[in-house]
Amino acid sequence: DIVMTQSPDSLAVSLGERATINCKSSQSVLYSSNNKNYLAWYQQKPGQPPKLLIYWASTRESGVPDRFSGSGSGTDFTLTISSLQAEDVAVYYCQQYYSSFTFGPGTKVDIK
Amino acid sequence: QVQLVQSGAEVKKPGASVKVSCKASGYTFTGYYMHWVRQAPGQGLEWMGWINPNSGGTNYAQKFQGRVTMTRDTSISTAYMELSRLRSDDTAVYYCARGRYYYDSSGLIFTDFQHWGQGTLVTVSS
Repeated sequence: DIVMTQSPDSLAVSLGERATINCKSSQSVLYSSNNKNYLAWYQQKPGQPPKLLIYWASTRESGVPDRFSGSGSGTDFTLTISSLQAEDVAVYYCQQYYSSFTFGPGTKVDIK
Repeated sequence: QVQLVQSGAEVKKPGASVKVSCKASGYTFTGYYMHWVRQAPGQGLEWMGWINPNSGGTNYAQKFQGRVTMTRDTSISTAYMELSRLRSDDTAVYYCARGRYYYDSSGLIFTDFQHWGQGTLVTVSS
């Protein structure tokens, strides 16, 4: 199974500042035939189901604010919130769908 | 709009079974695979398996093989997940999630989970 790790476990960022979350896979999730990274990012607020933010590592889901961006390739990925808003307080998970499905342990984002 | 509405919370004793339903609306039920994902209290997300609502075909995570059964009723656009021989560590919120997929030369390729149900809390306690 592909193991996903995330760092940091939690972070606190001032309103309007940048938040950066890292995700690493135990093996590459880049599919060479189409040059796509089989990685998604989800946001989960307390008491709610996860919400898809980013797929193919960097494609924003429809309706997701453009302050959210994804980057990276192969085994190392980043989710960036360019200007943190109060409504972005949540736990963020990365997920690989290259081989079956596994999620990272999550990163909790709070306001400083 | 796509909606996945799950059944209500359950309390079960160890060794019992639980069956959670997920009623879909706003799209063609048989056109998308349905996944089940669980989340233990304060923990992360764990994929359990999928069902093809069109054919009824299933694929379960190895961890749940022999204990989980996923079914569907196309007449009412509802998917079901039944977990048997419950243990205390099965206490979790169980989600259904509609997944996306495509076909290429390799065959069926699954991608992300675009829509999620609201979750069903299953508590296993004696």
